[in-house]
Amino acid sequence: NAGVMQNPRHLVRRRGQEARLRCSPMKGHSHVYWYRQLPEEGLKFMVYLQKENIIDESGMPKERFSAEFPKEGPSILRIQQVVRGDSAAYFCASSPRGAGLSYEQYFGPGTRLTVT
Amino acid sequence: QKEVEQDPGPLSVPEGAIVSLNCTYSNSAFQYFMWYRQYSRKGPELLMYTYSSGNKEDGRFTAQVDKSSKYISLFIRDSQPSDSATYLCAMTGSNYKLTFGKGTLLTVNP
Repeated sequence: NAGVMQNPRHLVRRRGQEARLRCSPMKGHSHVYWYRQLPEEGLKFMVYLQKENIIDESGMPKERFSAEFPKEGPSILRIQQVVRGDSAAYFCASSPRGAGLSYEQYFGPGTRLTVT
Repeated sequence: QKEVEQDPGPLSVPEGAIVSLNCTYSNSAFQYFMWYRQYSRKGPELLMYTYSSGNKEDGRFTAQVDKSSKYISLFIRDSQPSDSATYLCAMTGSNYKLTFGKGTLLTVNP
């Protein structure tokens, strides 16, 4: 049973470019969460998605960041016009259950974004 | 005051030692408590989760929760070099937003 898959594992972008991070949840999981881990910081919640729906994006910066989880294909976290402060590890997690029972989250290996 | 406090360490122990890792929290709404292990440059791996005060055991690992003191612990018995990693505590109320500690770096020396 494959775990959560993320790609690319490493991504280098110049300031002003766009970054697209992909996440495929575990088989049978329909709830996806994105977290960001800044250097010397703990993981911070960004967004919670179900298929075709954004449930909670309260942790997302208001500008330049967006996320989707289409009916077919992986979840995408998109960062437009990247800045150096966006350099971080971005982790995707999935769970088999949602809402009040989704504390059981399984994480992918992460995408390490470096902005030069 | 941060919602979750975790001593970053580093913590270095000899092989076979009992390891104690701890977190404190300030949010009384937290009801579910998780421990994750994260190897260098890898994603967090869920070790244990619990939602009640008391102890929960899984092999060499024991998770302990004291809601009255807002204090959780993870004990590792007979520690092995392969246990060397960063250990993250995480917690949530009745929803999906996990709040993480910064992690404790553990090294088990052969």
